[in-house]
Amino acid sequence: GQNIDQPTEMTATEGAIVQINCTYQTSGFNGLFWYQQHAGEAPTFLSYNVLDGLEEKGRFSSFLSRSKGYSYLLLKELQMKDSASYLCAVRDSNYQLIWGAGTKLIIKP
Amino acid sequence: ETGVTQTPRHLVMGMTNKKSLKCEQHLGHNAMYWYKQSAKKPLELMFVYNFKEQTENNSVPSRFSPECPNSSHLFLHLHTLQPEDSALYLCASSQEGAGGSYEQYFGPGTRLTVT
Repeated sequence: GQNIDQPTEMTATEGAIVQINCTYQTSGFNGLFWYQQHAGEAPTFLSYNVLDGLEEKGRFSSFLSRSKGYSYLLLKELQMKDSASYLCAVRDSNYQLIWGAGTKLIIKP
Repeated sequence: ETGVTQTPRHLVMGMTNKKSLKCEQHLGHNAMYWYKQSAKKPLELMFVYNFKEQTENNSVPSRFSPECPNSSHLFLHLHTLQPEDSALYLCASSQEGAGGSYEQYFGPGTRLTVT
């Protein structure tokens, strides 16, 4: 079966750095996405990785290792507004997104 | 604003009612999706339309019936629902195929409660 694993919840301090991990086992791979979802709102696109390595976009970076079935989302200089759920999703061989259950990130002052 | 709108935002319906959810995308995308999101569970893909053709139906009960009259509009018709169908229903769109960016843009969702 297809599976995406990510931690259920993480806590970090304002101004710090946090890394949210995602491991996947899917039938085929055509890219990995990270989305942010604030409570009561729709998911919004953060990043897309299809080749191994690090993609940096401002305070957010995303890393992919296809051989390990592993990705992480790195958030730097955390702000209170970063409190949200972070969803990892993999595009499988049918080009459909398989979603993780999300990691709820709690930022403390 | 993501360019994808959904109505209504909230819906309470009895098990014998019939209602419809509406989604409209203003992004010129060629694919649209219905997802179900329940608490602490992954997003569940329900239906996919590519170029107005339904390409995916993930074993969704027949009490959910999609309709895609054109590439900008998507409906989800609901009838004789069960309490376990209470969830957030999200619509999304993306540009697929050559030159597509593939990321999905989501609407704000319809919070459905079945009583």
